[in-house]
Amino acid sequence: AQSVTQLGSHVSVSEGALVLLRCNYSSSVPPYLFWYVQYPNQGLQLLLKYTTGATLVKGINGFEAEFKKSETSFHLTKPSAHMSDAAEYFCAVTMGSSASKIIFGSGTRLSIRP
Amino acid sequence: KAGVTQTPRYLIKTRGQQVTLSCSPISGHRSVSWYQQTPGQGLQFLFEYFSETQRNKGNFPGRFSGRQFSNSRSEMNVSTLELGDSALYLCASSLPGGSDEQYFGPGTRLTVT
Repeated sequence: AQSVTQLGSHVSVSEGALVLLRCNYSSSVPPYLFWYVQYPNQGLQLLLKYTTGATLVKGINGFEAEFKKSETSFHLTKPSAHMSDAAEYFCAVTMGSSASKIIFGSGTRLSIRP
Repeated sequence: KAGVTQTPRYLIKTRGQQVTLSCSPISGHRSVSWYQQTPGQGLQFLFEYFSETQRNKGNFPGRFSGRQFSNSRSEMNVSTLELGDSALYLCASSLPGGSDEQYFGPGTRLTVT
């Protein structure tokens, strides 16, 4: 069965500092992996996705994530945090062709200190 | 291209009532999925529709139902509302295929009193 674990329900970093949000997954077959961001009172927006090919994936707003099969991880990073990055971030995994097989992590709330 | 729209954005209902939420997908998207988001349970899949047929259903009671129309617009209905149904209900549309990301609407915030 698939599962997603996001380590840390709340992460706080200073503006300009490195952002690292952790995601580990469990899947019996090669997964598709996603990171979504949710701003207050809004829906989810896709940041980036990994399906096949290059394991380092670049997304919008300067975020990137690296698929590490040996560690079953898909951590999200950004070299320099900006105040506008404050939001909730969700890691998700799917191995099927329909939405019901998409499993979301519990989310990590990112706060940015001035 | 317009995004996914959901109406209404906010709704307050009383226990025992029923509610209908609407979702209009991105033009050309034929798959529509619904999710319930609560602080305690996170994002939970409700159901998915494709070409007017329910393709998958999550683990929710029969009070939760949905349908999709020929223009791909979708509605979900919750009957006999309970306090625990208070949540943000998100709709997402996508092209068929597992690697295609879902595009989410802004959600409908339902409060049951």
